[in-house]
Amino acid sequence: AQKITQTQPGMFVQEKEAVTLDCTYDTSDQSYGLFWYKQPSSGEMIFLIYQGSYDEQNATEGRYSLNFQKARKSANLVISASQLGDSAMYFCAMREPTGGFKTIFGAGTRLFVKA
Amino acid sequence: NAGVTQTPKFQVLKTGQSMTLQCAQDMNHEYMSWYRQDPGMGLRLIHYSVGAGITDQGEVPNGYNVSRSTTEDFPLRLLSAAPSQTSVYFCASSYSTAVGEKLFFGSGTQLSVL
Repeated sequence: AQKITQTQPGMFVQEKEAVTLDCTYDTSDQSYGLFWYKQPSSGEMIFLIYQGSYDEQNATEGRYSLNFQKARKSANLVISASQLGDSAMYFCAMREPTGGFKTIFGAGTRLFVKA
Repeated sequence: NAGVTQTPKFQVLKTGQSMTLQCAQDMNHEYMSWYRQDPGMGLRLIHYSVGAGITDQGEVPNGYNVSRSTTEDFPLRLLSAAPSQTSVYFCASSYSTAVGEKLFFGSGTQLSVL
């Protein structure tokens, strides 16, 4: 069964606008962690933001925020004031205790920022 | 700080050849893992290790072996390369197995099997 689902293979956003990248997950654990990583065209993987399952507040890191809806099992990434440098692949990931604390990734969303 | 170092960056193999992808980290991380990245499939976990001497299988372990004799090193061995193993491989580590620990990634190895 798919643990992490990212339903948007590609997204376009106008520069300076906000964009939401969707992520839903599946777990039976009560304690788990949710992450977003960015992969620019250069190929490196860059950590963006983390949300713990017990965190009551949505995580924020600069222009990135995570819209965490636990009951719906969604962890959407919101990028505010998009910049051309935000054009990249974005991966949602989850780490859970069941099965050995593996970190599992979604298929990714490619974001294109238009000038 | 070196972080996570992967070698080589590029490799071309013929079907049936064997090789080892090297991964080393200098952060005293307990947890290390290998992923492969294929278009449209994200990163899929091949093998992982929660400490020296301990390894386990991930989502796509067939055709790959690993060992963890030291905390620092986690090599990935392709026993008999197949075209289906053409991919980009990433090594990643984290300080511990806690659910809140982010992964630190190497720069990746682009492998082509002809």
